[in-house]
Amino acid sequence: GENVEQHPSTLSVQEGDSAVIKCTYSDSASNYFPWYKQELGKRPQLIIDIRSNVGEKKDQRIAVTLNKTAKHFSLHITETQPEDSAVYFCATYFGNEKLTFGTGTRLTIIP
Amino acid sequence: GAGVSQSPSNKVTEKGKDVELRCDPISGHTALYWYRQSLGQGLEFLIYFQGNSAPDKSGLPSDRFSAERTGGSVSTLTIQRTQQEDSAVYLCASSSRTGGSYEQYFGPGTRLTVT
Repeated sequence: GENVEQHPSTLSVQEGDSAVIKCTYSDSASNYFPWYKQELGKRPQLIIDIRSNVGEKKDQRIAVTLNKTAKHFSLHITETQPEDSAVYFCATYFGNEKLTFGTGTRLTIIP
Repeated sequence: GAGVSQSPSNKVTEKGKDVELRCDPISGHTALYWYRQSLGQGLEFLIYFQGNSAPDKSGLPSDRFSAERTGGSVSTLTIQRTQQEDSAVYLCASSSRTGGSYEQYFGPGTRLTVT
């Protein structure tokens, strides 16, 4: 069935260092892979997404890489800042157009 | 423009009572989703509406949960005979699903507390 696994569940990073969060998915037909950021007490918001026809996409300090053969994709945040502290969710669409989310990663940036 | 709105923002109810949660999607968005988020947990899919198609109800946890979408716009999620385990934040999201757009825009959520 549809499954998205996300690791790690918690991550603490020194300010200025990089953070990497990984997700694996089960359906080889998946073609869209977004990442959402949810700050404490707020709604999830899309921060970056990638489609299956590209292997990497970058937006300033945030990048996403996709390996379709291995069925995994990763979020990379460089030069981390305190405002990056949040819960991050990966997701993917399966054939029925339902967006399935990973279980989330709580990222803490240590000043 | 206006984003997704939800009401009420907070709802406290007694066990056994029925509750209705409302979602106003972004105008023109054909897709509407309901999710449940328990404290410190992930996003649990509940139901998905797309245009005039039959909704995908595969995520509803029990027959006490139901949802409607009237006129392809506003949606209400109804929970009958509420239980304490229903306490959570209920999030609504909408998406245009046109022009290759997949982004879901979330509302602020309704925090439901069942006492």
